[in-house]
Amino acid sequence: EMKLVESGGGLVQPGGSLRLSCEASGFTFSNMWMSWVRQAPETGLEWVANIKQDGSEQYYVDSVKGRFTISRDNAKNSLYLQMNSLRAEDTAVYYCARGGTLDAYDTWGQGTMVIVSS
Amino acid sequence: VVLTQSPLSLPVTLGQPASISCRSSQSLVHSDGNTYLNWFQQRPGHSPRRLIYQVSNRDSGVPDRFSGSGSGTDFTLKISRVEAEDVGVYYCMQGTHWVTFGGGTKVEIK
Repeated sequence: EMKLVESGGGLVQPGGSLRLSCEASGFTFSNMWMSWVRQAPETGLEWVANIKQDGSEQYYVDSVKGRFTISRDNAKNSLYLQMNSLRAEDTAVYYCARGGTLDAYDTWGQGTMVIVSS
Repeated sequence: VVLTQSPLSLPVTLGQPASISCRSSQSLVHSDGNTYLNWFQQRPGHSPRRLIYQVSNRDSGVPDRFSGSGSGTDFTLKISRVEAEDVGVYYCMQGTHWVTFGGGTKVEIK
């Protein structure tokens, strides 16, 4: 069974930092693009970032460029999202999802909540 | 690419059909000839779940009352007979021109 488990969310002040993690199991992690998708309260889904299988390419939504960094450790079957200079509008549930584009997101994690507030 | 879903809210009687539209601002036909339009279901309090990929292919374990159709810029998700467990928000998503999601359609029981 393919599984993704996120961790690392929490309450942080504006301007602060947080690092999200996603541990994968049940599939060959190193063969897959991976993504972060977020959902602000009572709103829809927004793609945040994705990363190629070997980590050589990363892409971001404009609103997080220069502040967020996606990375991966294929030896640990893990995906990460380093979030710096956090803003109130970054408040959301952050999901780890399998895939990059095309037939993306056949598997999702349970999500981790990030609240940016003073 | 902008995906516009309609309606925003869809009250349905149990056992009756439901239909959700997703219109794209650009053709979703990829240079490889495939059309990467997916549909997701998000039940209350749960993560999204992919139902349909490439317009009309059901994911494993998805009931056959769900079907997808369409081409180019116009797509439809149909539920042939709505059941109580189908309550939630449905999103279309295109993966042809990077990734964008539709705004969602909330399905509820009348």
